[in-house]
Amino acid sequence: NVLTQSPATLSLLPGERASLSCRARQSVGTYLAWYQQKPGQAPKLLIYDASNRAAGIPDRFSGSGSGTDFTLTISSLEPEDFAVYYCQQRNNWPQTFGQGTKVEI
Amino acid sequence: QVQLEQSGPEVKKPGASVTVSCTTSGYTFGSHNICWVRQAPGQGLEWVGWFSTSNGNTNHARRFEGRVTMTADTSTNTAYMKLMSLTSDDTAMYYCARDQGRYYDFWGQGTLVTVSS
Repeated sequence: NVLTQSPATLSLLPGERASLSCRARQSVGTYLAWYQQKPGQAPKLLIYDASNRAAGIPDRFSGSGSGTDFTLTISSLEPEDFAVYYCQQRNNWPQTFGQGTKVEI
Repeated sequence: QVQLEQSGPEVKKPGASVTVSCTTSGYTFGSHNICWVRQAPGQGLEWVGWFSTSNGNTNHARRFEGRVTMTADTSTNTAYMKLMSLTSDDTAMYYCARDQGRYYDFWGQGTLVTVSS
């Protein structure tokens, strides 16, 4: 089940709002997660089950969507939020990741 | 606190095998599967497979059929991934992660595997 993320790169300023899209070729229900990855680091879980924030994740991060269309929103970018974001589905075998969206300054 | 500590970087020749370890702590090892994900240089994330710490079952992506073996030592709370018949395409950072069934909540720091003649 291919996941397509858009845009590939998002160029924004601190304080601006970021909206990242993840579209699935087949429905994944709400079995979608979002991860953040910074250079030289392992991915970090942000959102699971489409809209639930993981422990310790600030409330400026929110997830929405179901079926085939999902959005990760960062309400007001902080300097530490500039990173690559991946979506992942576990509803269909094999589980798959999107190709990532880079959020840059 | 939950931690996953992976083994150090490896350099292998084409055709060789590599084993990456993932030692866990801070939770009951048998309560969560361990999955393996890799990331080629400058590329995205690719699922390799998972290992059931409760019954030893495994599942892996088709492209690794016949080349990957996942095991664990419950006495040391350590999971292992062995990849055989390495090619340059296997050069990547390999991550282990704790599987919550629908997502991965804790990740190891990664093990860089370089395949070069």
